[in-house]
Amino acid sequence: AQSVTQLGSHVSVSEGALVLLRCNYSSSVPPYLFWYVQYPNQGLQLLLKYTTGATLVKGINGFEAEFKKSETSFHLTKPSAHMSDAAEYFCAVSGQGTALIFGKGTTLSVSS
Amino acid sequence: DAGVTQSPTHLIKTRGQQVTLRCSPKSGHDTVSWYQQALGQGPQFIFQYYEEEERQRGNFPDRFSGHQFPNYSSELNVNALLLGDSALYLCASSRLVPGQGASIIYFGEGSWLTVV
Repeated sequence: AQSVTQLGSHVSVSEGALVLLRCNYSSSVPPYLFWYVQYPNQGLQLLLKYTTGATLVKGINGFEAEFKKSETSFHLTKPSAHMSDAAEYFCAVSGQGTALIFGKGTTLSVSS
Repeated sequence: DAGVTQSPTHLIKTRGQQVTLRCSPKSGHDTVSWYQQALGQGPQFIFQYYEEEERQRGNFPDRFSGHQFPNYSSELNVNALLLGDSALYLCASSRLVPGQGASIIYFGEGSWLTVV
């Protein structure tokens, strides 16, 4: 069985500050891990994914995440927040080719 | 190259009615999955279709059924609608690569269903 826990349903940062969104997972098989972003009234857009290989994954819009097996974590970071980063962020886990299991999401607010 | 397209974008139904939602996958993709996203929640997996067969199913009742056509497009059908079925229904497509699992999974914009 697989599950995802996103710590903090709401994160607020100032423009230019570090963004850190936390995700812990549980998986009985080697996990594939994903971060998606959802803007209001839109579908999901893939930010980045980890399958195998390098544990530090770089994605779009300056985001990156690090897979830490020992901590069962896949936290999302961005060095400097921009107003346009305000959105809902979802962490997800899957086995190979199987369904995505999503966390409940974290709303990121960015203030000027 | 069109991405994942879904129709309709919005619809309102009455309790007890039936609804059909449609999805066309991204070009080159052969696997279609459906998700339900209630307001303020993360998407929940309904089922996945590959080679016109249901390959995997989430924890949803039999009122939720689907179909995949030879051109890989898909339909989601929900019978005997309940107020709790009101949600955003997302379609996702991918390509299954033997030995490597799924390619990048792309999502459509979704179909907003309101049950009154």
